[in-house]
Amino acid sequence: EIVLTQSPGTLSLSPGERATLSCRASQSVSSIYLAWYQQKPGQAPRLLIYGVSSRATGIPDRFSGSGSGTDFTLTISRLEPEDFAVYYCQHYGSSPLTFGGGTKVEIK
Amino acid sequence: EVQLVESGGGLVQPGGSLRLSCAASGFTVSSIYMSWIRQAPGKGLEWVSLFYSGVTTNYADSVKGRFTVSGDNSRNTLYLQLNSLRAEDTAVYYCARGGVGNPHDYWGQGTLVTVSS
Repeated sequence: EIVLTQSPGTLSLSPGERATLSCRASQSVSSIYLAWYQQKPGQAPRLLIYGVSSRATGIPDRFSGSGSGTDFTLTISRLEPEDFAVYYCQHYGSSPLTFGGGTKVEIK
Repeated sequence: EVQLVESGGGLVQPGGSLRLSCAASGFTVSSIYMSWIRQAPGKGLEWVSLFYSGVTTNYADSVKGRFTVSGDNSRNTLYLQLNSLRAEDTAVYYCARGGVGNPHDYWGQGTLVTVSS
């Protein structure tokens, strides 16, 4: 099983700032199968990024993903008010599918 | 338009059973991987089960032997049978399109399962 560790647990930033979220895997992950999701309170998660760096339909270009092997990053270039939420990375290359523990991006 | 609508959650005693349903529209459930994912109150996401066209099913170790995933092509609906429920199974259960090799691009609204006496 691939264990995903996200850091930091909480990121306190102001609107307009850049957010950098980390996801580290316990073993090498095929780049094709790493995704990021955004979840707001009371809502289902929403797919942001798949295949490490491909944006899902309708996702603005301030969201970008990068990385390879065991280290992956989600970057939000300039935080908008609607971006304050919890973000999860996920490996979906093989069963069991696994999620990271999440990073909460909160308003400073 | 792709849509997933879950139902069947509720309050159940430890040791009890429930069946969750996920009605799909806009695509065929049997044509693509489908997953059940849960989220305990205040916690992160946990993948629970995988279903592909009745050929492939897979489960997290935490539910193996207690939960069973199935599909009904005529109703275009995915099911999750939950047996021998425990307090730690309390969570919002989401069905989502996607699984091995495919990200979860569509999610239902979730259905809450509460296991308590």
